Amino acid sequence: QQQVKQSPQSLIVQKGGISIINCAYENTAFDYFPWYQQFPGKGPALLIAIRPDVSEKKEGRFTISFNKSAKQFSLHIMDSQPGDSATYFCVPSSPNSGYALNFGKGTSLLVTP
Amino acid sequence: ETGVTQSPTHLIKTRGQQVTLRCSSQSGHNTVSWYQQALGQGPQFIFQYYREEENGRGNFPPRFSGLQFPNYSSELNVNALELDDSALYLCASSLKNSPEAFFGQGTRLTVV
Repeated sequence: QQQVKQSPQSLIVQKGGISIINCAYENTAFDYFPWYQQFPGKGPALLIAIRPDVSEKKEGRFTISFNKSAKQFSLHIMDSQPGDSATYFCVPSSPNSGYALNFGKGTSLLVTP
Repeated sequence: ETGVTQSPTHLIKTRGQQVTLRCSSQSGHNTVSWYQQALGQGPQFIFQYYREEENGRGNFPPRFSGLQFPNYSSELNVNALELDDSALYLCASSLKNSPEAFFGQGTRLTVV
């Protein structure tokens, strides 16, 4: 059962543009909605996360928008830079499973100079 | 405060052999989880350890086993290695019941 759908699978954005990655989920027990960033050959790094009682969270150029009723959340990267080129994973989790992370294939972002 | 460290960084083993991977959790973290990431895929949850006991397991066979020590460091053991076990093995540490997990750099295992 696929509980999380992330889109697009890949994304190419010009430097300075806005990158938008979307995530839709089914499990209403999720109460933590993070985005992880992974560079090739490295471990994933927690980038930004949100709880369901907040609709938006901004940290620098990165913003999470959360729509509880639609069961969707998205990552916006403003002023995208070539150094942002990485794979991004939305990995909502639940206390019912000890917050074990169930990764999908993620979104491969390429920011061109 | 130190982050999550894993050793070794790279390893080559022969099919049928056994391997042990090691992880030191971030200072103060008492929960360790292990993940397997095949090339081009997202990490897959293997199991989680808390208080030296397995606290949840993904869809992996029993030849994948682990240990957690009193200092919260952990080992992942894989017996009877298969070619498909070639992957990046990731360790993540966290506090019990906290959703924030921090990953190490991983161990790249190649089975030939």
